[in-house]
Amino acid sequence: NAGVTQTPKFQVLKTGQSMTLQCAQDMNHEYMSWYRQDPGMGLRLIHYSVGAGITDQGEVPNGYNVSRSTTEDFPLRLLSAAPSQTSVYFCASSRTSLYEQYFGPGTRLTVT
Amino acid sequence: ELKVEQNPLFLSMQEGKNYTIYCNYSTTSDRLYWYRQDPGKSLESLFVLLSNGAVKQEGRLMASLDTKARLSTLHITAAVHDLSATYFCAPGGSQGNLIFGKGTKLSVKP
Repeated sequence: NAGVTQTPKFQVLKTGQSMTLQCAQDMNHEYMSWYRQDPGMGLRLIHYSVGAGITDQGEVPNGYNVSRSTTEDFPLRLLSAAPSQTSVYFCASSRTSLYEQYFGPGTRLTVT
Repeated sequence: ELKVEQNPLFLSMQEGKNYTIYCNYSTTSDRLYWYRQDPGKSLESLFVLLSNGAVKQEGRLMASLDTKARLSTLHITAAVHDLSATYFCAPGGSQGNLIFGKGTKLSVKP
């Protein structure tokens, strides 16, 4: 099993550009989520999904969209990048919301 | 709203010493997780605590949970350099997510 994979590892965007961060898992997990981690802070939830076709907002959803068309994939879209979105983004998955979450390697995003 | 406070935020230890990291959280949660993060890396699951009084041990680390006090501890025994990392506690939130503390940056010096 590859576990949770994320691409790209690094990305630099200009303000106003859009892009999609990819996340995939091969463990048949129902629950998937996106977090962002900023220096000196813990991780904050952006969006999450409890299964294919079902998504919901987390603590900091503004400026991000998600969709879940398959169990395996949970892409995160930045609609119009802003410097405040400079962060490290982690995707996580778990069997259900009650189980431990496995984290991907992260995507380091810089918006200039 | 569930809030999490970890103490201390920074911890410099000598090898061979013992210490405890504290994790307080503000409202009831039915589960609590501890993660480790090395610089520039992802988060690695250490412990899953699911009930009051739960205690789990792995090597030099032991975690416990007191749901009534809303307190979890991570005890380090006879620290070694390899334990240097940032440790996060994370109670489970109502959305199935994890609510993270700010983390405790542990540095173990010879």
